[in-house]
This record gives sequence, C-alpha cells and structure tokens, in this order.
Amino acid sequence: GAVVSQHPSWVICKSGTSVKIECRSLDFQATTMFWYRQFPKQSLMLMATSNEGSKATYEQGVEKDKFLINHASLTLSTLTVTSAHPEDSSFYICSATPRQGGTDTQYFGPGTRLTVL
Amino acid sequence: QKEVEQNSGPLSVPEGAIASLNCTYSDRGSQSFFWYRQYSGKSPELIMSIYSNGDKEDGRFTAQLNKASQYVSLLIRDSQPSDSATYLCAVYRSQFYFGTGTSLTVIP
Repeated sequence: GAVVSQHPSWVICKSGTSVKIECRSLDFQATTMFWYRQFPKQSLMLMATSNEGSKATYEQGVEKDKFLINHASLTLSTLTVTSAHPEDSSFYICSATPRQGGTDTQYFGPGTRLTVL
Repeated sequence: QKEVEQNSGPLSVPEGAIASLNCTYSDRGSQSFFWYRQYSGKSPELIMSIYSNGDKEDGRFTAQLNKASQYVSLLIRDSQPSDSATYLCAVYRSQFYFGTGTSLTVIP
C-alpha cells in the first residue's frame, strides 16, 4: 500500500516550452502533496506544499508563476514548469501525506527527471 | 544556520562493518525524525522514523535520538554493498526539512 506514482518518469523538452508532471496517490487519499526539486549532488529542496482544493504554498525563492501547481483532487497534483529553461533541468519529486495517519507521514513518488535543451 | 546538518562524506566502510551516520538539527521544536535512503537517480525511501529519545532498532538499522543534544544518528550493522547510497536525515516541524545527505560506500 501507500504508492505514489509520477508521470512522466523523464522528459526532455526544448527551451521555452511548458512541461506538466503528474503526481498520483494510487491507493490512498492525500490531504497534502509536496513538490521537491533536487539538483545533482544536492539534497531535496521543498518547492511548494499543496492541499486539495486550495492554492499551493510556495517556498521562498520559488516563482509561483513559473511553477504552477494544481491539486484538483485528493489523489492528483500536477506541477507545470512554464517556459522551461536549461536551469530548470532537475529531478522533481513529489510526496503525499495520507488523509488517514499522522501529518508527518509522507510517501515519495519515483521522481521525474526533466532535461531542458 | 541550516535546519538539518549532516556530514556529506563520503563515508566508506568495509563489508560487514558498522556504518555510523550522524545528523544535527537546529530547532528544539522538531517533533519527528526520519532517515531516508536514496540510490542514485531514485527518490528517497524511508528506512526509519523515531520520535522519542533513545534507540529504535529495525533489523540491521538502529536510529538514535538525543533531543537534549539535538542529534539523530543511524547505525547500520553488518553493512552490505547494497547499502551503498546517500542517506538523508529529515526532521518534521510543520513541514519536512532535509539534510544534504551522507554518501555511504560499502566496500566488498
């Protein structure tokens, strides 16, 4: 149980295009989903926290107009990287906190590797 | 001051030895503590969680928490080459804060 999926697992796009990444909790309802970014040899950096039906809360330094997050249901959150540039190339990981259970529980998705040419 | 600090390593131990990973955190209000393992190119997977002072054992892994000194450690007994990975320490205080990770290599 407690499986989180991400799609796509990797994507290559041209500079200036937009890329959408989906994060789904497959066997549980998630009250909160988190989006992280990880550059090579670095730790996870929290980008934003999203709760179903409400606007995402972005961390300082993360452009909300560039990284659009939609948490439309209790099992799906999407991250759209708009007008992607090479510096946006990174490993994007989502995690989800189950509706049942403690708020300090999170299950990670497998990640999406974005390469912007 | 960083919320969570870890020695980045790399840490190398021979197969069968004990690997010791350490982590300190800055906020005494931190409530929950976690160790994650991350293989290269993969997302983190939870190894241990610990909430109370003392030791918590799970198989070859032992997590130790000392809230007075604000540190958390992870011991891996009988280290195996498959344990070679980056180990992330995380604390929870309304949100998760991750350390930069310690790279562990177990030498056969």
